[in-house]
Amino acid sequence: ETGVTQTPRHLVMGMTNKKSLKCEQHLGHNAMYWYKQSAKKPLELMFVYNFKEQTENNSVPSRFSPECPNSSHLFLHLHTLQPEDSALYLCASSQDRFPTDFYGYTFGSGTRLTVV
Amino acid sequence: KQEVTQIPAALSVPEGENLVLNCSFTDSAIYNLQWFRQDPGKGLTSLLLIQSSQREQTSGRLNASLDKSSGRSTLYIAASQPGDSATYLCAVMLSNDYKLSFGAGTTVTVRA
Repeated sequence: ETGVTQTPRHLVMGMTNKKSLKCEQHLGHNAMYWYKQSAKKPLELMFVYNFKEQTENNSVPSRFSPECPNSSHLFLHLHTLQPEDSALYLCASSQDRFPTDFYGYTFGSGTRLTVV
Repeated sequence: KQEVTQIPAALSVPEGENLVLNCSFTDSAIYNLQWFRQDPGKGLTSLLLIQSSQREQTSGRLNASLDKSSGRSTLYIAASQPGDSATYLCAVMLSNDYKLSFGAGTTVTVRA
């Protein structure tokens, strides 16, 4: 375990379903992120939270809705997704948005999402 | 917009050989550069982070160099082992933008 825990590890959902991804860190980090990793494409930043405040929405469709109730928890609420949204969704955290520690960002193991 | 390129896309070497992985970026005004490892179907594991003021960073068998002026970083892995087989990703952060720009990665296979 890296210190960033994501649940569930795998998720299959229909296009009309509503589901949520959860991310939790107890590293004392103040910044948390959602990334999307699709096959054969570089990682894409989706959202950034700094001290619980959203500081970045990287032109993500509204069918993805993030929530950050505190500095340790981050959610990604999903509804009416499309098959092309199938991907590995990764959560990450860092000390702050400009990390200086040796390891910088810490990533979770990801949620493999399949939309059918 | 920062473009990050990693060449080659894939690499296969016999066990014991040293690995050399390349990363290039278009905007030299970086804050830091980070190397990650990703095993199939898994998340990313941070290997090391180089600040813009540093020329290199070391962690065990890993050594990463940074040449900002030429827009390049190289990750050296000494005496490769089958357990080093993974995809290695380079990510760059600009001085005026905290977002990371990732390369597409180099997939390494170390043959026993």
